[in-house]
Amino acid sequence: DTAVSQTPKYLVTQMGNDKSIKCEQNLGHDTMYWYKQDSKKFLKIMFSYNNKELIINETVPNRFSPKSPDKAHLNLHINSLELGDSAVYFCASSQVLQPSNSPLHFGNGTRLTVT
Amino acid sequence: AQSVTQLGSHVSVSEGALVLLRCNYSSSVPPYLFWYVQYPNQGLQLLLKYTTGATLVKGINGFEAEFKKSETSFHLTKPSAHMSDAAEYFCAVSDNAGNNRKLIWGLGTSLAVNP
Repeated sequence: DTAVSQTPKYLVTQMGNDKSIKCEQNLGHDTMYWYKQDSKKFLKIMFSYNNKELIINETVPNRFSPKSPDKAHLNLHINSLELGDSAVYFCASSQVLQPSNSPLHFGNGTRLTVT
Repeated sequence: AQSVTQLGSHVSVSEGALVLLRCNYSSSVPPYLFWYVQYPNQGLQLLLKYTTGATLVKGINGFEAEFKKSETSFHLTKPSAHMSDAAEYFCAVSDNAGNNRKLIWGLGTSLAVNP
């Protein structure tokens, strides 16, 4: 069983469209995250949720809106997609909120390409 | 503020040679330290972590790292590189004083292993 699964794996869309990425974890973790990895492999945290409560909301355009219906799910909706949104988006979870010695468990990523 | 520096964005070694990936951190409080590995087209996975206690920590796939407080370093080593070790490696730090709600990531080191 995949611990952290996200769908879709690939997403190709045109500028101006709205798209969603879904994430589910079956580890029983309390905390979930969205990260963005750019073409240079730089990792940037976007959001973190703890027990469905938003904890971290980094400087991300408000076109990005996370939603956590329960603590096992954290979805990411993106409105009015722009070329600069092209990246790999990773969902992750950890047993408890940072800071802690609890490691992150990552999904395999969603490669978003905006044309 | 905490920070992580990975010296060398690209490291190339021959198969069977020693692997040394450098990580230095700055933290005003005792840190938790992590190394993650990202294989092509996959999410990150934990290689090893330092929390407290023994400063030499062993991880998966024959990797180990030593926490040196005096040098503020947490370098990753493997005695003998294997072709399958080719990947991106990330060092990360989390403080244990409860002040920072997120992991601080290095920029990554891409390891190439030559036959």
